[in-house]
Amino acid sequence: DGGITQSPKYLFRKEGQNVTLSCEQNLNHDAMYWYRQDPGQGLRLIYYSQIVNDFQKGDIAEGYSVSREKKESFPLTVTSAQKNPTAFYLCASSIGTGEWDTQYFGPGTRLTVL
Amino acid sequence: GDSVTQMEGPVTLSEEAFLTINCTYTATGYPSLFWYVQYPGEGLQLLLKATKADDKGSNKGFEATYRKETTSFHLEKGSVQVSDSAVYFCALRDNFGNEKLTFGTGTRLTIIP
Repeated sequence: DGGITQSPKYLFRKEGQNVTLSCEQNLNHDAMYWYRQDPGQGLRLIYYSQIVNDFQKGDIAEGYSVSREKKESFPLTVTSAQKNPTAFYLCASSIGTGEWDTQYFGPGTRLTVL
Repeated sequence: GDSVTQMEGPVTLSEEAFLTINCTYTATGYPSLFWYVQYPGEGLQLLLKATKADDKGSNKGFEATYRKETTSFHLEKGSVQVSDSAVYFCALRDNFGNEKLTFGTGTRLTIIP
């Protein structure tokens, strides 16, 4: 089955620790995205990548870092500099970044920082 | 900048009732418009989309028409089921090389038997 997988589903970390969230897709999509979802708010874009070895900041990149060494993988690191990291994190991918390209989402990772 | 305004929830309806969730947008140019649905504990799934004015997106009994004159993309379904209970997000994507989706805040829908 083709799709986007995110792991783990739930993640707990102590304040001050960096944590890396996994996102893998086997859809052969070029573009990948990370969004953050907070209660009562829409999704906000953290980072996106159009091709391997390239990525751009979204609206709320501060305190986060990403890498795109392989087409199918786009891990997100939540660093200790992120002031309010507890949230639901969603990864998405699309064939490209053209105006017709629909973004498809993974199941999400809920991060709780204690 | 771009923005999406959705009808505030939560919305509670009885099974087989008619559903409308309002969505209006602000954008430069001619954006593509989307409705996504999020079931409890899951990620978002694309429900339907429309890419130009007067297009109607439809899927699983849901419909939405891209109305440029009123900058709206209201979601409708003639007869809802308990399984439609979820959070619905309206979103837009401008077509000026901006890859970002701009989302509304979501509307929680609960259908009671």
